[in-house]
Amino acid sequence: GAVVSQHPSWVICKSGTSVKIECRSLDFQATTMFWYRQFPKQSLMLMATSNEGSKATYEQGVEKDKFLINHASLTLSTLTVTSAHPEDSSFYICSARPGGSNTGELFFGEGSRLTVL
Amino acid sequence: GDSVTQMEGPVTLSEEAFLTINCTYTATGYPSLFWYVQYPGEGLQLLLKATKADDKGSNKGFEATYRKETTSFHLEKGSVQVSDSAVYFCALRTGNQFYFGTGTSLTVIP
Repeated sequence: GAVVSQHPSWVICKSGTSVKIECRSLDFQATTMFWYRQFPKQSLMLMATSNEGSKATYEQGVEKDKFLINHASLTLSTLTVTSAHPEDSSFYICSARPGGSNTGELFFGEGSRLTVL
Repeated sequence: GDSVTQMEGPVTLSEEAFLTINCTYTATGYPSLFWYVQYPGEGLQLLLKATKADDKGSNKGFEATYRKETTSFHLEKGSVQVSDSAVYFCALRTGNQFYFGTGTSLTVIP
């Protein structure tokens, strides 16, 4: 099946710094990618929908200035957690769907665990 | 709105035991239904899916049947293995949106 890769898989940073997480579709193009956040023992919470070449669409309650999303190409979306704080520590997962259709299987990255000290 | 309600865990079973993880959904229209599995430290992987009523999805010994009359998509496996230890997520898709359940942690002990 299609492969989605995230980098880094884990990162530790100091409070106040910014962290960038990359999400790549390795063998397909994705006009749309999705960013989720997962707290321990909880479900995935959709943060935003990343659209290639345009602004991301954020879910209610997600600070767009805090979580910057850039989808510069058909195979790469990045999530930057700006001025990170300990409460931003979480598991961030991206997903993508091959092609431009709105149906079909969703493929997930391995996730990126962020720990803010 | 659309949502998924999933059986709370954690669930602990002995090897070769029968597994059922309940999932019910609320949706307008005709959603597709999915089960995803998340192994420790990894992202989600599609386990099985069903796209219309009465469809049965199956993979790796797991099965789930799309029951429109009971709005359910329960996951079952006849004989679990230690390697099945993971978190299982029920999900539905309507249009371009996915909705996930809270996940059920399964631990299988030898």
